[in-house]
Amino acid sequence: GNSVTQMEGPVTLSEEAFLTINCTYTATGYPSLFWYVQYPGEGLQLLLKATKADDKGSNKGFEATYRKETTSFHLEKGSVQVSDSAVYFCALKNSGGSNYKLTFGKGTLLTVNP
Amino acid sequence: DAGVTQSPTHLIKTRGQQVTLRCSPISGHKSVSWYQQVLGQGPQFIFQYYEKEERGRGNFPDRFSARQFPNYSSELNVNALLLGDSALYLCASSSEGRGEQYFGPGTRLTVT
Repeated sequence: GNSVTQMEGPVTLSEEAFLTINCTYTATGYPSLFWYVQYPGEGLQLLLKATKADDKGSNKGFEATYRKETTSFHLEKGSVQVSDSAVYFCALKNSGGSNYKLTFGKGTLLTVNP
Repeated sequence: DAGVTQSPTHLIKTRGQQVTLRCSPISGHKSVSWYQQVLGQGPQFIFQYYEKEERGRGNFPDRFSARQFPNYSSELNVNALLLGDSALYLCASSSEGRGEQYFGPGTRLTVT
C-alpha cells in the first residue's frame, strides 16, 4: 500500500536559518506529491505540490522537487521566519484506482525562534 | 468566497454516545472527504463522497458512517463512541473526486 515517511521532529531553528524536512514515499504508479502546513488550532493548508517526476513545487519561499529515483519530496526553505512555525505534512495521492484519497506522513513540528 | 466550513468547532461526548459532524464544501465543489487526525499523527482517510455517492472508504469500523446531501454538504456520524475516537475530524472538498482537496478548520471531538 501507499505510505509516506517524514523525518521525526520537532525541528527547532533560528530565524533566517535553512530548513530541510525530509519526505520519502512508497506508492504504485506515479503519485502526485504534496506538502501541507497546519498552523496551531487550524486545519490543513496546501503549501505546494508536484504531479510528475522532476517537477518542482514552490510557494512562499518553500520548494520541493519530485525525485522518482529516490522516491523523495524533501521540503526546503532558504531563510525561515518565526511565522513559519507550524506542523508540516507530506502527502501523496495515487494515480490509480484509489486516486481520490490523500495518504499523509505523521507530520514534522517546526519551531522558529527569533 | 467562503472556504470549507465545519460545525461544531469543539464537541465533548461520553463513551457510548453518538455524534454527528457537519461540513459545507466550497461553493461549486461536488466532492467531500473526511479525515481523522489523532493528536501527533497525520490525517487518516475515512470517506469520500462524490455526487452523493460513496466513492471510497478507509480502514474504519462500521460505527463510522457518512452521507452527502443534494446541496453537497455532508455529515459524518460516529456511533458507540470510544475514547480512541477523540481526534480532530477534518473535512475536505474538491470540485470532483480526484481534484485538489481544500480542508476546513476541523471539529475537535473529545470522548470522556
